[in-house]
Amino acid sequence: ILNVEQSPQSLHVQEGDSTNFTCSFPSSNFYALHWYRWETAKSPEALFVMTLNGDEKKKGRISATLNTKEGYSYLYIKGSQPEDSATYLCAFQGITNAGKSTFGDGTTLTVKP
Amino acid sequence: NAGVTQTPKFQVLKTGQSMTLQCAQDMNHEYMSWYRQDPGMGLRLIHYSVGAGITDQGEVPNGYNVSRSTTEDFPLRLLSAAPSQTSVYFCASSYSLDSYNEQFFGPGTRLTVL
Repeated sequence: ILNVEQSPQSLHVQEGDSTNFTCSFPSSNFYALHWYRWETAKSPEALFVMTLNGDEKKKGRISATLNTKEGYSYLYIKGSQPEDSATYLCAFQGITNAGKSTFGDGTTLTVKP
Repeated sequence: NAGVTQTPKFQVLKTGQSMTLQCAQDMNHEYMSWYRQDPGMGLRLIHYSVGAGITDQGEVPNGYNVSRSTTEDFPLRLLSAAPSQTSVYFCASSYSLDSYNEQFFGPGTRLTVL
């Protein structure tokens, strides 16, 4: 079983704060790393897929970076808004058994107005 | 497109009963998968399929069976329900396994086993 860890488990910030959280994964056997956003009572929705060491992806105020050599990815949210409140999941795909995406337990972000 | 649909949305079973959770997608996706989500945990892969007629086990396959007779449908069968199978079940699909495709998730089925 692969070890995909996300930290922190939960985060409470004020509106306007910038924040970031981490996804750690095995540095060997890397194929892709996915980030998903999961709002309460909804289904997870894809944010980014990251494939190359040094990748940086951005969507509005949310961005992500990837370091495959050391096995981590950061997700950043600039100027958090209450609508950013959600659980953010990362999912690791290895080269062997690429069909088996391994998800972290998620970071739950709450943004207070 | 309806995307990924799941039925039922809610289900209560007694220990030992069997049932099938339905999942369908209309996006002509090759890859489909089933996950369960338990409190405080992320999504754990139960079974997946890379195309019609091909299935494989995920991380937590025990107590579940799947089949993939068509591209569109990927039902999950609980053979003899146990309280440990109380969970929220999500079906997901993606275009293919070969490229870096995102997964699209269904709305989930909340299952309670008494």
